[in-house]
Amino acid sequence: QVQLQESGPGLVKPSETLSLTCTVSGGSVTTYYWTWIRQPPGKGLEWIGYIPYGGSTNYNPSLRSRVTMSLDTSKNQFSLSLNFVTAADTAVYFCARGVGATHFDFWGQGTMVTVSS
Amino acid sequence: QSALTQPASVSGSPGQSITISCTGTSSDIGGYHYVSWYQQDPGKAPKLLIFDVNNRPSGVSDRFSGSKSGNTASLTITGLQTEDEADYYCGSYSSSGTYVIFGGGTKLTV
Repeated sequence: QVQLQESGPGLVKPSETLSLTCTVSGGSVTTYYWTWIRQPPGKGLEWIGYIPYGGSTNYNPSLRSRVTMSLDTSKNQFSLSLNFVTAADTAVYFCARGVGATHFDFWGQGTMVTVSS
Repeated sequence: QSALTQPASVSGSPGQSITISCTGTSSDIGGYHYVSWYQQDPGKAPKLLIFDVNNRPSGVSDRFSGSKSGNTASLTITGLQTEDEADYYCGSYSSSGTYVIFGGGTKLTV
């Protein structure tokens, strides 16, 4: 059974960089589309983007200028970096496995990130 | 405002059937067969219920089914159970920039 686990700071200061890592177990990051999705408190889901092994990243246009994703096959992990954060970036961040990049069959439990000074 | 439109809430009694709609455009739901549905319990990660409009992953009850007509997709739950009470989200591939878009979610009360 594939399992995903997010890790990273729960509090980030405005204008700084949010960095999260997702560790995958029970499967390899060398297949599928490894995806980040976020959910502001009390709101709906927002697709942030994906990184496939050996392929091109694809980011939400509304976040593209601030987002970078990377993949570490030696650790079976993938990461999210979001810079110049504001309070609007406060959300639960989920990592997920994308199938055909259009639907997500395995998810991490989510990690709450608060942007505040 | 979410890219896909869902009703904020629906309700039903145990044993009944309900349908949740998800309306988009010809650039997403209407133009492609890539509609998915997720169930989310409070404080939990979403769970995939339906993919590619009407396919169920292994292990998902056949009480859940999906369909699409024009720019609107639907999730139907038959034989409602109290444990079906949750938030439900639709998602779709979109050709107009944001690769995957979601609905605002529907709260189901049983």
